[in-house]
Amino acid sequence: DGGITQSPKYLFRKEGQNVTLSCEQNLNHDAMYWYRQDPGQGLRLIYYSQIVNDFQKGDIAEGYSVSREKKESFPLTVTSAQKNPTAFYLCASSIKAYYEQYFGPGTRLTVT
Amino acid sequence: GENVEQHPSTLSVQEGDSAVIKCTYSDSASNYFPWYKQELGKRPQLIIDIRSNVGEKKDQRIAVTLNKTAKHFSLHITETQPEDSAVYFCAPGGMKTSYDKVIFGPGTSLSVIP
Repeated sequence: DGGITQSPKYLFRKEGQNVTLSCEQNLNHDAMYWYRQDPGQGLRLIYYSQIVNDFQKGDIAEGYSVSREKKESFPLTVTSAQKNPTAFYLCASSIKAYYEQYFGPGTRLTVT
Repeated sequence: GENVEQHPSTLSVQEGDSAVIKCTYSDSASNYFPWYKQELGKRPQLIIDIRSNVGEKKDQRIAVTLNKTAKHFSLHITETQPEDSAVYFCAPGGMKTSYDKVIFGPGTSLSVIP
């Protein structure tokens, strides 16, 4: 079953804890992206990667970190420095930049 | 950086009528113009895209038109159905540098009234 997966679907954390969201794809895509979506809002780019071992900050990178050690995987860590981490997080991939993006099902993070 | 706007922000139409959503962008180097649909509680999915060497593209009830001179492109949905109710996002972009980024518009919420 090909596609892009995210886990877990729901995640609950206490304030002050770091948390890592998983994103895996078996589409052989070069580019991967992380977006944040707040209720009634659009998609805001956190980080993106166009090639293994390289990534760039998006518009709202503060308080987040990523790695791209494998083509298939692009995990996102939400650190305690992120002021308002509760949100819906979407991962996406595309064969390369400026082609169709395929989105994962998302992870809904709640921090209390 | 790229400034992307969508109009209108909300749109309500009667079933069977047409809907048009416009996306304006600021970067003249943009050459890829997609539209994504996000139904409530689901992930966004591409519904149609166009590149700058083409002025119009149609796929059954949906079409996209591009005006590069004016820096806008539009999504047209004809014979709307209740299942067209969703939020629609544009995401214009282009390879200006090796590490340019995609910017999504703020979204347009379409409601189709049966």
